Amino acid sequence: DSGVTQTPKHLITATGQRVTLRCSPRSGDLSVYWYQQSLDQGLQFLIQYYNGEERAKGNILERFSAQQFPDLHSELNLSSLELGDSALYFCASSPWTSGRGWGNEQFFGPGTRLTVL
Amino acid sequence: ILNVEQSPQSLHVQEGDSTNFTCSFPSSNFYALHWYRWETAKSPEALFVMTLNGDEKKKGRISATLNTKEGYSYLYIKGSQPEDSATYLCAPQIYNTDKLIFGTGTRLQVFP
Repeated sequence: DSGVTQTPKHLITATGQRVTLRCSPRSGDLSVYWYQQSLDQGLQFLIQYYNGEERAKGNILERFSAQQFPDLHSELNLSSLELGDSALYFCASSPWTSGRGWGNEQFFGPGTRLTVL
Repeated sequence: ILNVEQSPQSLHVQEGDSTNFTCSFPSSNFYALHWYRWETAKSPEALFVMTLNGDEKKKGRISATLNTKEGYSYLYIKGSQPEDSATYLCAPQIYNTDKLIFGTGTRLQVFP
């Protein structure tokens, strides 16, 4: 158990809908990352937040957004869902961000499996 | 865009065999190299983080080496056990960021 929690575990929804995935980082971790794992693709970095502020962006679609709240939990919002958004979404956390240490190990949550029908 | 290649894609070995995998990545814009182990139905778990050329890390029967000049890392498993069955992912960390670019992994299956 990494100490990172994600809810829900599974989510089934229809095209065009909007969903919110939630992540609670390990106690004390300030950085939160979101990743997407689609069929036949590796883990794709979506976005990083550090202490409430967006820190880095990857291949995140405009239909997707995220935020990190004062209590450090994070939410990933996916809207106008398409069939191709079906994937496993992971949240990870780490204690700090680059500039304060090299090799910033990330701790992954159990993931949310999203199925869009 | 970093292109991370891992080989082989999959590997089947007998219990007790030693094995190794390769991770290749562009050596520019590099900060650190992460290895993760991902068991089926679980989440990726960090094995090693390496930063310096020539770095070697070891955890039990698993070890890794790093060559930043030529852009590759090797992961070795000595005396493979069935519980080593998992997908092993490498991920370079981009310079001055925490962005990890994951390879597609090497899927290892160890048969008793």
